[in-house]
Amino acid sequence: GAVVSQHPSRVICKSGTSVKIECRSLDFQATTMFWYRQFPKQSLMLMATSNEGSKATYEQGVEKDKFLINHASLTLSTLTVTSAHPEDSSFYICSARDGGEEQFFGPGTRLTVL
Amino acid sequence: GEDVEQSLFLSVREGDSSVINCTYTDSSSTYLYWYKQEPGAGLQLLTYIFSNMDMKQDQRLTVLLNKKDKHLSLRIADTQTGDSAIYFCAESMHGGYNKLIFGAGTRLAVHP
Repeated sequence: GAVVSQHPSRVICKSGTSVKIECRSLDFQATTMFWYRQFPKQSLMLMATSNEGSKATYEQGVEKDKFLINHASLTLSTLTVTSAHPEDSSFYICSARDGGEEQFFGPGTRLTVL
Repeated sequence: GEDVEQSLFLSVREGDSSVINCTYTDSSSTYLYWYKQEPGAGLQLLTYIFSNMDMKQDQRLTVLLNKKDKHLSLRIADTQTGDSAIYFCAESMHGGYNKLIFGAGTRLAVHP
């Protein structure tokens, strides 16, 4: 089946630094990738939708200058959390769509900002 | 706006059936999904149902859809301890990007 990987799986950083999270579709080309955020014991909240070669579409309330998304190829999207603060600590999950109806989810990245 | 609601917790005895319920508000939803999330892990798609279907069965899983009431349920037969996880209901909005709207998740606890 379709596999999506994320790197790193866990990251701890100091407040004020930037963190980059990668999302890769390993065995298919992802026309669309999605970035979600999940707080403890809560649901996934969509942050943004990105299509290869175009600018990401951000959900209301998500700061596009803080959460930079790049979808440079059909197999890679990156999310950069700029000037991270403790309130950005969360579980970030990406998903990828190959043009069909199903989204394939990555295993998630746990970000802890000290 | 779009909203998906689920009960937060369900406890069942091993071997019994589990029924997890979900309600949604967007009548234009095309697909409805059930995902499973184990601790610290991403989401695993369990099953999905197209909006013109009433029921779908896949081994121990049965999905029932009542479009009139906008109610979706997931029944797990012969529930096992390995089924303990959080189950998310999600709807796919009408639109080209298939944005998913998730419920808050139901934590299923299976005890002996």
